[in-house]
Amino acid sequence: GQNIDQPTEMTATEGAIVQINCTYQTSGFNGLFWYQQHAGEAPTFLSYNVLDGLEEKGRFSSFLSRSKGYSYLLLKELQMKDSASYLCAPMDSNYQLIWGAGTKLIIKP
Amino acid sequence: IAGITQAPTSQILAAGRRMTLRCTQDMRHNAMYWYRQDLGLGLRLIHYSNTAGTTGKGEVPDGYSVSRANTDDFPLTLASAVPSQTSVYFCASSATSGGAGADTQYFGPGTRLTVL
Repeated sequence: GQNIDQPTEMTATEGAIVQINCTYQTSGFNGLFWYQQHAGEAPTFLSYNVLDGLEEKGRFSSFLSRSKGYSYLLLKELQMKDSASYLCAPMDSNYQLIWGAGTKLIIKP
Repeated sequence: IAGITQAPTSQILAAGRRMTLRCTQDMRHNAMYWYRQDLGLGLRLIHYSNTAGTTGKGEVPDGYSVSRANTDDFPLTLASAVPSQTSVYFCASSATSGGAGADTQYFGPGTRLTVL
């Protein structure tokens, strides 16, 4: 079957760095997306990885290891506005996104 | 309009009633999707459309129907609503899908539906 595993909740301090891990099992693989979702709002696109390695985009970076079925999202210089849920979504062989339940990130001052 | 709009924003519905959730995009995207999101669960795909005139079933299609008469609109209909369909419904679109390669999905603001 297809499965996504992310921590349910994480807490970090403003200005710090946090890493949100995601492990996945899918039928085929066509890349992995990370989305941010603030409470009561729609998911918004953060990053897409299809090859192994690190993709950096400003304060956010995303890493992928296809052989390990593993990805992480790294958030640097945390700001209060980064308090949100972060959704890991690999794409299977049918180009359908398989969504995890998300990691709720709480930022404390 | 810029992006994807959904209507209504929220709705309370009596069980057994028929309801259509509307979704319109102005990005000329080929593919459109309907998801539901329930507390503690990931987004679950209800139906999708790779291009105007075609639709497909997702993970949880029972009790829902869709149509794609043109590129811009992708309505979702609940023929006879039941309380288990209480959820937040998101419409999304992407420029391409399937064999054309992976493409980023962009989401509408959602419809919060309560079935009593």
